[in-house]
Amino acid sequence: RKEVEQDPGPFNVPEGATVAFNCTYSNSASQSFFWYRQDCRKEPKLLMSVYSSGNEDGRFTAQLNRASQYISLLIRDSKLSDSATYLCVVIPLTGGGNKLTFGTGTQLKVEL
Amino acid sequence: DGGITQSPKYLFRKEGQNVTLSCEQNLNHDAMYWYRQDPGQGLRLIYYSQIVNDFQKGDIAEGYSVSREKKESFPLTVTSAQKNPTAFYLCASSPSLGDRGLNTEAFFGQGTRLTVV
Repeated sequence: RKEVEQDPGPFNVPEGATVAFNCTYSNSASQSFFWYRQDCRKEPKLLMSVYSSGNEDGRFTAQLNRASQYISLLIRDSKLSDSATYLCVVIPLTGGGNKLTFGTGTQLKVEL
Repeated sequence: DGGITQSPKYLFRKEGQNVTLSCEQNLNHDAMYWYRQDPGQGLRLIYYSQIVNDFQKGDIAEGYSVSREKKESFPLTVTSAQKNPTAFYLCASSPSLGDRGLNTEAFFGQGTRLTVV
């Protein structure tokens, strides 16, 4: 089983739709979680951190489910500019130190 | 402005040649990373370093080498032993574990596109 798994998509959604992505992780000792956004042929940039209590930033909501070992990203009222690849990042608490492990990314395409 | 800089942006290499990709950061970050990304794929970890003069292999270290002689610099050498080196290479840095033992975000350079000709 991969350390971090994501559905590669693409998710094709109309503008204004609500879309959700999940990311599962295999290491139960994982401690830190993030969502990154990557535009085509660009470097990834931090979208938001994922806290145990959840995290909301405008149209974006991130949640953590430790029991089922997954994190989620919800995007409300999708915009054309949200089209990108969304990468989840998982960091273990022990052993791996600062080892950042990325999922393969989920591609989102928002259409008119 | 603080940031992380990769150079060159585009690099062409002949088969059988070694080539070194530069990564410099002035963010005073302890940890630095090298990733490889192939078209339509995610990021795969090549090497990472948590502190000066120390580094660890990632998931695909074969055919690559690194050094961490200075906090600011983490160059990656793609050797002739790397059978399929054409890819997009990304360098990142992050602070060390915070007070609660939690990692904070990683910042990326703009990447180097390496093509073997």
